Amino acid sequence: RKEVEQDPGPFNVPEGATVAFNCTYSNSASQSFFWYRQDCRKEPKLLMSVYSSGNEDGRFTAQLNRASQYISLLIRDSKLSDSATYLCVAEGASKIIFGSGTRLSIRP
Amino acid sequence: NAGVTQTPKFQVLKTGQSMTLQCAQDMNHNSMYWYRQDPGMGLRLIYYSASEGTTDKGEVPNGYNVSRLNKREFSLRLESAAPSQTSVYFCASIRDRLSYEQYFGPGTRLTVT
Repeated sequence: RKEVEQDPGPFNVPEGATVAFNCTYSNSASQSFFWYRQDCRKEPKLLMSVYSSGNEDGRFTAQLNRASQYISLLIRDSKLSDSATYLCVAEGASKIIFGSGTRLSIRP
Repeated sequence: NAGVTQTPKFQVLKTGQSMTLQCAQDMNHNSMYWYRQDPGMGLRLIYYSASEGTTDKGEVPNGYNVSRLNKREFSLRLESAAPSQTSVYFCASIRDRLSYEQYFGPGTRLTVT
C-alpha cells in the first residue's frame, strides 16, 4: 500500500463547478500536510498547507481528518486556469511523502 | 530572488556516461532535497541534506551521489547512467524543519539512451 494515495483522475468538470478530491495517508505519525499544484511539465508549487482546523484560501478549502487519515481539497467556482495536477503531501518524522497526484481538467 | 535554480534544463546521456546536476537556492534555506518524477508516479526522494555538511539517503538513492557544497548549493551526480534513470529531476529547499513548505526548482529532464 502506498503511504499517500490519491485518485489519479482525471476529473473533468465544467467551468464554475465545485470539485473535491481526497487523499489518504497511512502513517498516523504524520504531522504536516500540504497540497501542491503542478502544471504540465513544470515544477510543483505550494497551493496551501492543511491545518487541523481546516483552512480556506479564496476558492480553495483544505481539511484534515486525523481519525480517518485523509485530507481533502475543495475548489469552488472552478476556473479554466485551475486545470493542473494536484499533489497531496504528508510529512512525519522528517519524512516527506508525495502522492502521485490527481489530474483536474476544467472545460469551458 | 531567483529562488531555486537548476542546470541543465535538458540532458541526453548514453548508458555509462556520468554527469552532475546542479542546484542552487538564494533563500538562505537550510534543507535541500533531490527528487525524481516518473510518469504516473509521485515525486520520489533520492537524497536530502538537512543542513550544510550533512546528507542522507531517501527512498531511491541507488545509482546517485550528492554533495552539499555550501548552504546554497546541492548537486546530484550520476556516476554511470542507466536507462532506468531517465526521469525529470527536481531540486527543492525548505527554510527549516519547523515548516516543511518546499520550494522547487524548474527541473532537469534527463534521457539516458
